[in-house]
Amino acid sequence: GAGVSQSPRYKVTKRGQDVALRCDPISGHVSLYWYRQALGQGPEFLTYFNYEAQQDKSGLPNDRFSAERPEGSISTLTIQRTEQRDSAMYRCASSFGGLAASNEQFFGPGTRLTVL
Amino acid sequence: LAKTTQPISMDSYEGQEVNITCSHNNIATNDYITWYQQFPSQGPRFIIQGYKTKVTNEVASLFIPADRKSSTLSLPRVSLSDTAVYYCLVGLNDYKLSFGAGTTVTVRA
Repeated sequence: GAGVSQSPRYKVTKRGQDVALRCDPISGHVSLYWYRQALGQGPEFLTYFNYEAQQDKSGLPNDRFSAERPEGSISTLTIQRTEQRDSAMYRCASSFGGLAASNEQFFGPGTRLTVL
Repeated sequence: LAKTTQPISMDSYEGQEVNITCSHNNIATNDYITWYQQFPSQGPRFIIQGYKTKVTNEVASLFIPADRKSSTLSLPRVSLSDTAVYYCLVGLNDYKLSFGAGTTVTVRA
């Protein structure tokens, strides 16, 4: 079946613009996660949804970052007033259950964001 | 979250066995040990998970000693396509994965 999909795959924007990154999880997966990955580093946790509820947003760097999952399926990560330091690979993952310790997370291909 | 320590890089040749050891001295009683693999330009992919002793699947084996303060991922007879970054994860939280820098394994012909 289809895996996790993300769009766009690449996004180039100018500093100060808003961007919206989309994640379409595997059908039936109740848990959805956003990560950010810098070059040469592992993914860094941003936020977590269980169905439509945002259970944890402790990893969001500041209030310019927000995420939603209104119907418990597709999620959008929005970055307002982008800055050059926001440039990174943004990855979405989903899992059947919410216990990461015992549930495999399936990662999408990521969105490469470049802020000029 | 339990902190993990693993080598930054390892080199190997095709057909050899690669063993990556991860230290996690402050692992909690209910923590699982999970390994993910990441190829260039792709997202991480789950390889194997264990709690104690030995776990084996079609890709790798995971050895966990009784004290669980370390674990070893074993990749048998590696090929060039096994060149990737391998992450050792140990988590206390129910849902959050904490990745470090991982171990870059380079397999040469």
